[in-house]
Amino acid sequence: DAGVIQSPRHEVTEMGQEVTLRCKPISGHDYLFWYRQTMMRGLELLIYFNNNVPIDDSGMPEDRFSAKMPNASFSTLKIQPSEPRDSAVYFCASSEQDTDTQYFGPGTRLTVL
Amino acid sequence: QKEVEQNSGPLSVPEGAIASLNCTYSDRGSQSFFWYRQYSGKSPELIMFIYSNGDKEDGRFTAQLNKASQYVSLLIRDSQPSDSATYLCAVMLEYGNKLVFGAGTILRVKS
Repeated sequence: DAGVIQSPRHEVTEMGQEVTLRCKPISGHDYLFWYRQTMMRGLELLIYFNNNVPIDDSGMPEDRFSAKMPNASFSTLKIQPSEPRDSAVYFCASSEQDTDTQYFGPGTRLTVL
Repeated sequence: QKEVEQNSGPLSVPEGAIASLNCTYSDRGSQSFFWYRQYSGKSPELIMFIYSNGDKEDGRFTAQLNKASQYVSLLIRDSQPSDSATYLCAVMLEYGNKLVFGAGTILRVKS
């Protein structure tokens, strides 16, 4: 199995630009999670989906952040407009329906200048 | 109070020693507990999970859970330099499929 796939692996952009991060979960996994990791705040859950439906987005920092999951094999996390404080590593993870074990993708390192 | 607390370290142990990593959590209803290892610049990698009170062993790793004390630990026997990493404790909250992570403990194994 290919594991969770994320793209791009690195993104450098300027403040005010739109950023889109992409994730392909492990085939057959019903849950998809978006996390953000910073030195100051550690690993934080932003939002998660079950069967393509957003279940809990209470971790999304503000309206500039949005996430979609149009089908079982693809999800996006969009930041518009981006700000320097959004600089972090963003991870996508997935898990099967009847287990709590989450498998992480390689992450996207975002730098907003 | 943070939901999951870990000593940030670094914890330094000599090669071949036992490394003991500890974690406390606040959600008394939590039922699932996880240890992830994260190398610098890499993603978290699952090492072990534990659901029941007591010990669970997997190779050189032993997870220990005490729900009454809301305490989880990870023991690494015969520590190797390749074990040097940040170890993240994660707790599944009682309600909702949400995993809450501790800040992580940096482990350094010196050869």
